[in-house]
Amino acid sequence: GAGVSQSPSNKVTEKGKDVELRCDPISGHTALYWYRQRLGQGLEFLIYFQGNSAPDKSGLPSDRFSAERTGESVSTLTIQRTQQEDSAVYLCASSRWSTTNEKLFFGSGTQLSVL
Amino acid sequence: QQQVKQSPQSLIVQKGGISIINCAYENTAFDYFPWYQQFPGKGPALLIAIRPDVSEKKEGRFTISFNKSAKQFSLHIMDSQPGDSATYFCAAATSGSRLTFGEGTQLTVNP
Repeated sequence: GAGVSQSPSNKVTEKGKDVELRCDPISGHTALYWYRQRLGQGLEFLIYFQGNSAPDKSGLPSDRFSAERTGESVSTLTIQRTQQEDSAVYLCASSRWSTTNEKLFFGSGTQLSVL
Repeated sequence: QQQVKQSPQSLIVQKGGISIINCAYENTAFDYFPWYQQFPGKGPALLIAIRPDVSEKKEGRFTISFNKSAKQFSLHIMDSQPGDSATYFCAAATSGSRLTFGEGTQLTVNP
C-alpha cells in the first residue's frame, strides 16, 4: 500500500479482555515502531523492530504488553487483561534503515478504549 | 541522557505571527534532529530535519535553528497560518538508532 496501515481504527473492549492491534508497514521498510499516545500527551515509545535483530522492548510498560513481527512484514501488538489506563491511541511507524537515519512514516493509529 | 525536553507545552499565536518551539537535549552523540507535525486524528508526519553540521535549515515558512554548544534546537514558523494549528514534536537520534521524541507542543494559530 501507499502508507502504513493500522487496524482496527477503533477498538472498544471491556476491562480484563485481551486485544490485538495490527500494523502493516510500507513494503521494504525494515524498521517498525509502536508508540502509545494518551489524550493530549506525547509519544510514548513501546517497542522497536529492526530487520532480524532482537527487538528493543525497553518501552513496554508491563508484561501484559507484547508484540511480534513476521520478518519485515506485519506486526501485532497484544495487550492482555486490558486495564482502563491502557486507553490511548496506539501508533505504528515504519522506515527504511540506514546509518544516517530515515524518515518515519506513521499510520493513523488505533484508538483503544477500555471500559 | 536520552531525553529531549520540549517547550512550551502549548502556544497560541495570531495569524501572521512567528511561532517558536524549543528543544534541549543532553546526549552529545545525537546527530539527527527532526521535527514532526501531527494533526488531530492523524499520525505525526516529518516536517523538517537538520544535522549538526549546519546551524540553520529553512524550508518555506519553517526554519530549524541549531545551537550545538548549547545543545538546543528550535522550530520557527514564520507568517503562521490557522492551517499550521497542530501538535509539533521535536526528536533526536544518533545515526542508525531509533528516535527519542520530545513531549510535544500544541500550537493554535488564531485567525
